[in-house]
Amino acid sequence: AQSVTQPDIHITVSEGASLELRCNYSYGATPYLFWYVQSPGQGLQLLLKYFSGDTLVQGIKGFEAEFKRSQSSFNLRKPSVHWSDAAEYFCAVGASSSASKIIFGSGTRLSIRP
Amino acid sequence: EPEVTQTPSHQVTQMGQEVILRCVPISNHLYFYWYRQILGQKVEFLVSFYNNEISEKSEIFDDQFSVERPDGSNFTLKIRSTKLEDSAMYFCASTGAGYQETQYFGPGTRLLVL
Repeated sequence: AQSVTQPDIHITVSEGASLELRCNYSYGATPYLFWYVQSPGQGLQLLLKYFSGDTLVQGIKGFEAEFKRSQSSFNLRKPSVHWSDAAEYFCAVGASSSASKIIFGSGTRLSIRP
Repeated sequence: EPEVTQTPSHQVTQMGQEVILRCVPISNHLYFYWYRQILGQKVEFLVSFYNNEISEKSEIFDDQFSVERPDGSNFTLKIRSTKLEDSAMYFCASTGAGYQETQYFGPGTRLLVL
């Protein structure tokens, strides 16, 4: 079955510290992987996506993610977080077809300590 | 930058009433989706729509739900007789017809059923 697991429900880091949010997926075919961010009361904004090629992908707002096929993981990283990064982060998986639904993880809430 | 818009942003309704949630996808997009997010839970796929037909629907999308593209710009989700458990944030998304296209999400409609 297709699924996405985000093992950390809530993470708190200090401003300026590095961040890594974990994501593991289960998908039968070649996955198309995403990270979305949701600020309180807001919609979903795409941070980055991966389908093929370089396994380290760069996104907006200084985020990056690394695809590791052997570990079925797609962890999100940022070298130095800012207070404005406080939000909910969702890892998601889909197929390459435009008609394909996206399956979301349960999300990780990121809090920033001043 | 083009964006997906949704109206209304908030809707409160009585149980048993019909509601229609409206979305204006990005103008040259061909695939349309509805997702929902119950408070504190993950984003769940409801339905995808292409060429005036449902492409795929989840088990959540029962006979109480319907979708329509009544004109060249709007995409609607109708809930015929709302239940308390329909209270959620509903997101519309759209994507182009190319390969590896990104789904762009609207800001959502928060529906509260009393």
